Amino acid sequence: DIQMTQSPSSLSASVGDRVTITCRASQSISSYLNWYQQKPGKAPKLLIYAASSLQSGVPSRFSGSGSGTDFTLTISSLQPEDFATYYCQQSYSTPSITFGQGTRLEIK
Amino acid sequence: QVQLVESGGGVVQPGGSLRLSCAASGFTFSSYGMHWVRQAPGKGLEWVAFIRYDGSNKYYADSVKGRFTISRDNSKNTLYLQMNSLRAEDTAVYYCAKDRGSFYADWYFDLWGRGTLVTVSS
Repeated sequence: DIQMTQSPSSLSASVGDRVTITCRASQSISSYLNWYQQKPGKAPKLLIYAASSLQSGVPSRFSGSGSGTDFTLTISSLQPEDFATYYCQQSYSTPSITFGQGTRLEIK
Repeated sequence: QVQLVESGGGVVQPGGSLRLSCAASGFTFSSYGMHWVRQAPGKGLEWVAFIRYDGSNKYYADSVKGRFTISRDNSKNTLYLQMNSLRAEDTAVYYCAKDRGSFYADWYFDLWGRGTLVTVSS
């Protein structure tokens, strides 16, 4: 299986900050990379698909980039509702799709 | 309203069985592949199973292969997960999730249910 490694595992930031979360694949996955946001006690929500495409209804402060093995999720200006856990997921090696371990974004 | 609603979770002894259901509404259920994804308490996400829009193909994670069976009834807009030979490590919140692709699966998820908790314990 393709291993997905996110960094950092957790970070603290303030409202208005620019934040970047990284996801690295154990082998090339082209652009088959997706990002989700999960708040405590809630289901995950799709933010970005195919590395850089913004899911309908997701604020434009979220953006994704990368290809091959290295990917980033950027939040341009953190809002209070953005404090959550973020997961990357590869959809290259189907059916053995895998998620990163998650990055917990906390309020500083 | 576009939504997925899971049911059927509960407490079961090791070796026991449970069947989860997921009722879909607000979209053309029969046009989309569907998945089950689980999350152990305090842990990350793990894909469990997928079924094609017409039920013709099914795929499973190695961790559940031979024990879990995914199925669907398009006339009832409902997805199922039959879980047999349950183990303590199957304890998790089970989410049903809609594939973003219509007919041809994209293998990522644009609609999730709220989840149902399965606890395997004696």
